[in-house]
Amino acid sequence: DVKVTQSSRYLVKRTGEKVFLECVQDMDHENMFWYRQDPGLGLRLIYFSYDVKMKEKGDIPEGYSVSREKKERFSLILESASTNQTSMYLCASSSSQSSYNEQFFGPGTRLTVL
Amino acid sequence: RKEVEQDPGPFNVPEGATVAFNCTYSNSASQSFFWYRQDCRKEPKLLMSVYSSGNEDGRFTAQLNRASQYISLLIRDSKLSDSATYLCVVNIRSGAGSYQLTFGKGTKLSVIP
Repeated sequence: DVKVTQSSRYLVKRTGEKVFLECVQDMDHENMFWYRQDPGLGLRLIYFSYDVKMKEKGDIPEGYSVSREKKERFSLILESASTNQTSMYLCASSSSQSSYNEQFFGPGTRLTVL
Repeated sequence: RKEVEQDPGPFNVPEGATVAFNCTYSNSASQSFFWYRQDCRKEPKLLMSVYSSGNEDGRFTAQLNRASQYISLLIRDSKLSDSATYLCVVNIRSGAGSYQLTFGKGTKLSVIP
């Protein structure tokens, strides 16, 4: 059974803290993605990576960075968390073989920044 | 103009009804198309890909009109378990050679007993 796991389901942090969100996939996928989902705004792409040590900015990269040191792991970093980064964060992965390849999502991390 | 637009709903329909969702996309370079389903407090999951000729999977039928940049999803004989948010998704090849999905905001469906 294919699987994308995220390090935490719920996380509460304070403004200014550095936050790490971890994502691991066991499908040997080349591509990995970080999204945030907010009511009324839908899913928005923050960053994605199509290979180890490679990264591309998505639609809303400001305030975030990412790290992909190993193929199976993609980390999202909030250097200095702010209240407007309170959101649901979803990680996904897909294979590069075809544009019709499905993106598989993790269960999400609900982050609250106080 | 938003890249992928959907009617947010909610659509409240009785069991057994037929319901249709529509979606328009703005980028004519879009290469592939999908419907994802997202249950409350869960992650999105692929419902079906949408092919140019249209495709059917049981009670679900998807259609694509490239000329009008329009995608539809038809659900026949609605079940209570169909209650969810349906996301229209468009795939565009990025400059880096990989593919990037753009999601609509979703259409919420509630099937009522």
